Amino acid sequence: DSGVTQTPKHLITATGQRVTLRCSPRSGDLSVYWYQQSLDQGLQFLIQYYNGEERAKGNILERFSAQQFPDLHSELNLSSLELGDSALYFCASSVEAGETQYFGPGTRLLVL
Amino acid sequence: GNSVTQMEGPVTLSEEAFLTINCTYTATGYPSLFWYVQYPGEGLQLLLKATKADDKGSNKGFEATYRKETTSFHLEKGSVQVSDSAVYFCALSGPGGANSKLTFGKGITLSVRP
Repeated sequence: DSGVTQTPKHLITATGQRVTLRCSPRSGDLSVYWYQQSLDQGLQFLIQYYNGEERAKGNILERFSAQQFPDLHSELNLSSLELGDSALYFCASSVEAGETQYFGPGTRLLVL
Repeated sequence: GNSVTQMEGPVTLSEEAFLTINCTYTATGYPSLFWYVQYPGEGLQLLLKATKADDKGSNKGFEATYRKETTSFHLEKGSVQVSDSAVYFCALSGPGGANSKLTFGKGITLSVRP
């Protein structure tokens, strides 16, 4: 158990819908990262937050957004969902940016 | 930009066989290097890491040495077990905290048969 929690574990929804994925980092960790794992793209970095502020952006679509709240938990919002958004979404946290990242169990999203 | 290349898979070995999984990287400066493992139906777990040249990371019988001259971080284990069956990802981050996102290789599936 890494200490990073993600909810829900599984999510099934339809095209055009909007979903919110939630991540609670390890106690004391200030940095949160979101990654997408798909069969064709592999593991890709989406976005990083540090102590409530956006720190870095990767290959994140404009339909996707995220935020980190004062209690340090983070949410990833995915809207206007398409079939190709079906993937496993991981959250990771670290004490500081650049330190070892610990991953949550992931949220498996299926868009039908 | 940064990139990680892993050998093609999958790999199937018999129990107690020697394991090598190749990983090479492209990055400016001195990144940190990692091996993560993903067991079936689970998230990613950190297996080992090395943060500077010639460092050796080790855990659970697995080892990898940070080779700056060959830009490599090959994973080895002397005697694999059935429980080592999983997907293995090589990754790098940095250098520097401002570039702390992980860049992953494609992963390789290891199956160990009794």
